[in-house]
Amino acid sequence: DSGVTQTPKHLITATGQRVTLRCSPRSGDLSVYWYQQSLDQGLQFLIQYYNGEERAKGNILERFSAQQFPDLHSELNLSSLELGDSALYFCASSVDFGDSYEQYFGPGTRLTVT
Amino acid sequence: GQSLEQPSEVTAVEGAIVQINCTYQTSGFYGLSWYQQHDGGAPTFLSYNALDGLEETGRFSSFLSRSDSYGYLLLQELQMKDSASYFCAVREIGKQGGKLIFGQGTELSVKP
Repeated sequence: DSGVTQTPKHLITATGQRVTLRCSPRSGDLSVYWYQQSLDQGLQFLIQYYNGEERAKGNILERFSAQQFPDLHSELNLSSLELGDSALYFCASSVDFGDSYEQYFGPGTRLTVT
Repeated sequence: GQSLEQPSEVTAVEGAIVQINCTYQTSGFYGLSWYQQHDGGAPTFLSYNALDGLEETGRFSSFLSRSDSYGYLLLQELQMKDSASYFCAVREIGKQGGKLIFGQGTELSVKP
């Protein structure tokens, strides 16, 4: 158990809908990272927040957005969902600004878009 | 940008030794990490190399050659539970923060 929690574990929704994925980092960690993992694919970095502010961005679609709240939990919002958005979405955390080589991953949210 | 290449799959028998290679192309290099992921589970950190040489952690070792932009993960005394995907990753650090760039992963199958 990494100490990172994610809810929900599974999510099934229809195309065109909007969903929110939630992540709570390890106690004391200030950075939260979001990754997308499609079937048989590697982990694609989406976005990083540090202490409430966006710090790094990957190839995140405009339909996706995220935020980190004062209590450091983070939410990833996915809108106008398409079939291709079906994937595992992982949240990870680290204590620092982003120069850590070790990130702690949550159990993931499996999103299925039908 | 960054890119990493690793074999898509490797098969080995219980008790054997297996090496998973990773080559990378980066605009700036701060170190190579390895993560293990069991089917659909959370990736977990295994090891990290910032400098050339071998780092050993129990049955797992990781090697880095910065001049060759190459590293590998060595797994010894393979056990069935080692069947998993293994990802190499490089850190990309910018003024605004940092992120890990992952390879596509190597699926290791350990046979009895």
